[in-house]
Amino acid sequence: GIQVEQSPPDLILQEGANSTLRCNFSDSVNNLQWFHQNPWGQLINLFYIPSGTKQNGRLSATTVATERYSLLYISSSQTTDSGVYFCAVEETSGSRLTFGEGTQLTVNP
Amino acid sequence: NAGVTQTPKFRVLKTGQSMTLLCAQDMNHEYMYWYRQDPGMGLRLIHYSVGEGTTAKGEVPDGYNVSRLKKQNFLLGLESAAPSQTSVYFCATHSLAGGLFGPGTRLTVL
Repeated sequence: GIQVEQSPPDLILQEGANSTLRCNFSDSVNNLQWFHQNPWGQLINLFYIPSGTKQNGRLSATTVATERYSLLYISSSQTTDSGVYFCAVEETSGSRLTFGEGTQLTVNP
Repeated sequence: NAGVTQTPKFRVLKTGQSMTLLCAQDMNHEYMYWYRQDPGMGLRLIHYSVGEGTTAKGEVPDGYNVSRLKKQNFLLGLESAAPSQTSVYFCATHSLAGGLFGPGTRLTVL
């Protein structure tokens, strides 16, 4: 099956800093999604981005499908951004989402 | 519009007991999924369904069964619970706009 690798595994920031999270995948995909899991365990869909660039407030994401990677940018980070960020891809062979192991982000005040 | 709901939120079982987790959605989505999440790990797909009356195995299906008798409900069953099935279980739906997850069920098997 498809492999999804996220980096870095852990990231600690001071409030106000910017960061870039990366997701590499091993094969062509139908779509790619970024999720945020907050400290209470809730999973929130951030972006549905099979290709191109999208922005939502302080967050933006870029997927370069031909090179099999996606980037999630967080600008002016806030303590509420803390949690785990997951990348998930849908294989071209079906409707299954395969998740990476996540990036644990901690934003300190 | 409740989105995706899961019942129960918490459960403690003894080894060998059985139980059913219920996932319900009110968005008329065709695709539904059951994942498990273990500490420090990402989500692993247990079973999924691409429509009413259909089910398929995911990455870690052993020890679980599922049914999708109605489009809005996706049931996950444990016939004989084992300590290795202690985990947080998430249900999700999928549409062209992306995935939506339920709040999770925390299951402990003693």
